[in-house]
Amino acid sequence: AQSVTQLDSQVPVFEEAPVELRCNYSSSVSVYLFWYVQYPNQGLQLLLKYLSGSTLVESINGFEAEFNKSQTSFHLRKPSVHISDTAEYFCAVSDRGDDKIIFGKGTRLHILP
Amino acid sequence: DVKVTQSSRYLVKRTGEKVFLECVQDMDHENMFWYRQDPGLGLRLIYFSYDVKMKEKGDIPEGYSVSREKKERFSLILESASTNQTSMYLCASSFESTEQPQHFGDGTRLSIL
Repeated sequence: AQSVTQLDSQVPVFEEAPVELRCNYSSSVSVYLFWYVQYPNQGLQLLLKYLSGSTLVESINGFEAEFNKSQTSFHLRKPSVHISDTAEYFCAVSDRGDDKIIFGKGTRLHILP
Repeated sequence: DVKVTQSSRYLVKRTGEKVFLECVQDMDHENMFWYRQDPGLGLRLIYFSYDVKMKEKGDIPEGYSVSREKKERFSLILESASTNQTSMYLCASSFESTEQPQHFGDGTRLSIL
C-alpha cells in the first residue's frame, strides 16, 4: 500500500531564508503528487501538483517542487520565505486509478523574524 | 469560485449523543470525503463516497457512519459519541479522477465532553 513520509514535523526558518520541506512516498508505480497548505483555522488548499511531464512544478506564490522518481521524493522548496508562509504543509500521493489520496502527517513551517 | 461548506466551525457534544456533521459542495463533484485531523497524525480518511448513496470505508471507519442522499451533501454521523472522537473533522470533494485535487472545507472542531 502507498504511504507518504514527511521527515520533519516542524521546520523553523528565518524570514527571507530558503526552505526545503521533505517528502518521500513508498511506491514507484505511476503516481500523482500534491502539496497542500493549511493556514491557521482553515482547511487545506492545493499548493501545487505533479501529474506528468516536467518534473519541476511551481506555485503562484514562489514555491516549487521536484518529482524525483528514482528517489521517490517530491520535496517542496522556496528560495525566500515570508511571514505569511507560516502554515502546515501536507504532501499527498495517489496511485493512478485509485480513488483515494494518501496524506503525509504534515510539516509545520515556523517563520522566525 | 469553488466552495465546500461545513455546517459548524465549532461543536460541543456529550458522550453518548448522536452527532451529525454536514458538508455541502457546490461544484457538482462526484467524490466526497470525510477526514479527521489530529496533531502528529495528519489526516486520516474515515469514509468516502464516489456517487449518491454509495460509500466506502476509509482507514478509521469504526464509530462512524455516513449518508449521501444528494450529490452535493455528505453527512458524517457519530452514532454514540465518545471522548476519543474529539478532533478536527475535514470534509473534501473532488471530480471523479484522482488527478483532480480535493477541495476542502474549513473544518469542524468537535469536542466530546
